[in-house]
Amino acid sequence: AQSVAQPEDQVNVAEGNPLTVKCTYSVSGNPYLFWYVQYPNRGLQFLLKYITGDNLVKGSYGFEAEFNKSQTSFHLKKPSALVSDSALYFCAVSPLLNQAGTALIFGKGTTLSVSS
Amino acid sequence: DTGVSQNPRHKITKRGQNVTFRCDPISEHNRLYWYRQTLGQGPEFLTYFQNEAQLEKSRLLSDRFSAERPKGSFSTLEIQRTEQGDSAMYLCASSLEGLRVTDTQYFGPGTRLTVL
Repeated sequence: AQSVAQPEDQVNVAEGNPLTVKCTYSVSGNPYLFWYVQYPNRGLQFLLKYITGDNLVKGSYGFEAEFNKSQTSFHLKKPSALVSDSALYFCAVSPLLNQAGTALIFGKGTTLSVSS
Repeated sequence: DTGVSQNPRHKITKRGQNVTFRCDPISEHNRLYWYRQTLGQGPEFLTYFQNEAQLEKSRLLSDRFSAERPKGSFSTLEIQRTEQGDSAMYLCASSLEGLRVTDTQYFGPGTRLTVL
């Protein structure tokens, strides 16, 4: 079955330190990969995506993600965390040319808490 | 570009009642998606439209659920005979699909349904 795993329910970092939010996937084919962020009582905001090309993808608010095909991972990173980065982060995949459509498969989410 | 909008933002209903939610996608986006998000989980795909055609329905979409996109613009999601298990956040997203199979899905703020 196709799935996305975010192994950490919560990640705690101090402001100014680098952060990593982990994501691994199990999808046949070559999927498109996405990261979204959700703030309380708000919808999901798109951060970045990987389709093809350079394994390091840069996105909004200084976030970047590294695609690793051999490890089927797509970890979200930021060199220096801000308190305002505290939110719920979702990794998602969309199987390429899947006859079933382009529905996104989401992980359960990781809560990022940045302390001052 | 005013973003994806959803109404109402909150809906409280009694078990057995029918409810209808509306989603207005980003203008000129030809694809519209519905997802359901329960507490502590990532969004789960329900259905999507390409223009006015409903192309895929998840097995989560029981026969009590129906979605329409009559003119290829806004969409409605109706739940008949609501059950307490229907309590969730219902998210709408839209995307512009062109030569590539999958483009970025942009999400609305969601409609939170509480079934008493």
